[in-house]
Amino acid sequence: AQSVSQHNHHVILSEAASLELGCNYSYGGTVNLFWYVQYPGQHLQLLLKYFSGDPLVKGIKGFEAEFIKSKFSFNLRKPSVQWSDTAEYFCAFSIYNQGGKLIFGQGTELSVKP
Amino acid sequence: DAGITQSPRYKITETGRQVTLMCHQTWSHSYMFWYRQDLGHGLRLIYYSAAADITDKGEVPDGYVVSRSKTENFPLTLESATRSQTSVYFCASSWDGYEQYFGPGTRLTVT
Repeated sequence: AQSVSQHNHHVILSEAASLELGCNYSYGGTVNLFWYVQYPGQHLQLLLKYFSGDPLVKGIKGFEAEFIKSKFSFNLRKPSVQWSDTAEYFCAFSIYNQGGKLIFGQGTELSVKP
Repeated sequence: DAGITQSPRYKITETGRQVTLMCHQTWSHSYMFWYRQDLGHGLRLIYYSAAADITDKGEVPDGYVVSRSKTENFPLTLESATRSQTSVYFCASSWDGYEQYFGPGTRLTVT
């Protein structure tokens, strides 16, 4: 069955630390990849997406993610986190040409200490 | 610009009752989706719709019914609520099916 595995359930960092959240998906064909973020008390919102082309994609608020096809991975990175990055982060993918049915990982809660 | 709204935001109901969760979007997006969010599972797709009068099952459709008579509305009905349906329900919409915009969620408790 198709699935997404996020490596960390809860990450705690100090401000200015670097962030990397792992994400692996299980599907052998072409996929579209996403990272969504849910700030406390807010809607889920799209952080960044990969459809094709350059495997290094940049999103909002200084986040970036790299698609490594051979590893079925789409890890999220940020060089220096801020307290305002405290949120839950969800990795998701959809199968190409399947109408955007998203398959989500279980989420990673990020807590940034000021 | 209201975007996408869900109602009610919180609901407590008893086992066996029918309950309907509402979702309304103002963008005229073709696609709409219902997800449930449970601890340890992330979000799981219940049903989706590619256009008015077109709906299809997602990963966890059992116990749920949807309809979409108008593009802007996509109600989700629990025909006979069970405790296992206690969850947070998110509606989303999209113009292309891929970049999805989420509503604020409905927290449903079934007692």
